[in-house]
Amino acid sequence: AQSVTQPDIHITVSEGASLELRCNYSYGATPYLFWYVQSPGQGLQLLLKYFSGDTLVQGIKGFEAEFKRSQSSFNLRKPSVHWSDAAEYFCAVGAGGNKLVFGAGTILRVKS
Amino acid sequence: DAMVIQNPRYQVTQFGKPVTLSCSQTLNHNVMYWYQQKSSQAPKLLFHYYDKDFNNEADTPDNFQSRRPNTSFCFLDIRSPGLGDAAMYLCATSREGGRGRNEQFFGPGTRLTVL
Repeated sequence: AQSVTQPDIHITVSEGASLELRCNYSYGATPYLFWYVQSPGQGLQLLLKYFSGDTLVQGIKGFEAEFKRSQSSFNLRKPSVHWSDAAEYFCAVGAGGNKLVFGAGTILRVKS
Repeated sequence: DAMVIQNPRYQVTQFGKPVTLSCSQTLNHNVMYWYQQKSSQAPKLLFHYYDKDFNNEADTPDNFQSRRPNTSFCFLDIRSPGLGDAAMYLCATSREGGRGRNEQFFGPGTRLTVL
């Protein structure tokens, strides 16, 4: 069965510092991978997605993610974090039947 | 702008009093989803519609029902809300694509409080 692991429940970074959020997936075939962001009290917004091709994917708000098949990972990165990036981030893998399987999420705190 | 709209944004109901949450979309997507999300947890899929075909998750309680009268609208009915049903309810849509290839677009959610 498909699964997604986000090992870090909380991460705190200083404004202007770089960020990497980890995501590991389990899926038998070529995965379709997504990163979503959720601000408090809001719905989920898609940051970026990977279907095939270039393993380094660029997204909105200056985020990027790299697909590494050998490590079953799809880590999210940003070179310089802004206070407005504080939110919860969800990694997801496309499963059968039009479904997504979400990780448990990582809460990002940004300190000034 | 094409979007997913949820009404109301906040809903308060009493224990056992039926409640209906509404979702509409202007994206003309085939698939509509309802998720339940409790505090600091991942969204949990309750069910989804592929066109008019209803797909219930195995662990969704019978207390939760859904209707999709047309492509644009989808409703979540909670027949007898319990305290444990207090949560954020998210509606999402996607084009058909199989195996989750197509991204899901989420509405802003409805925060349900049960008194």
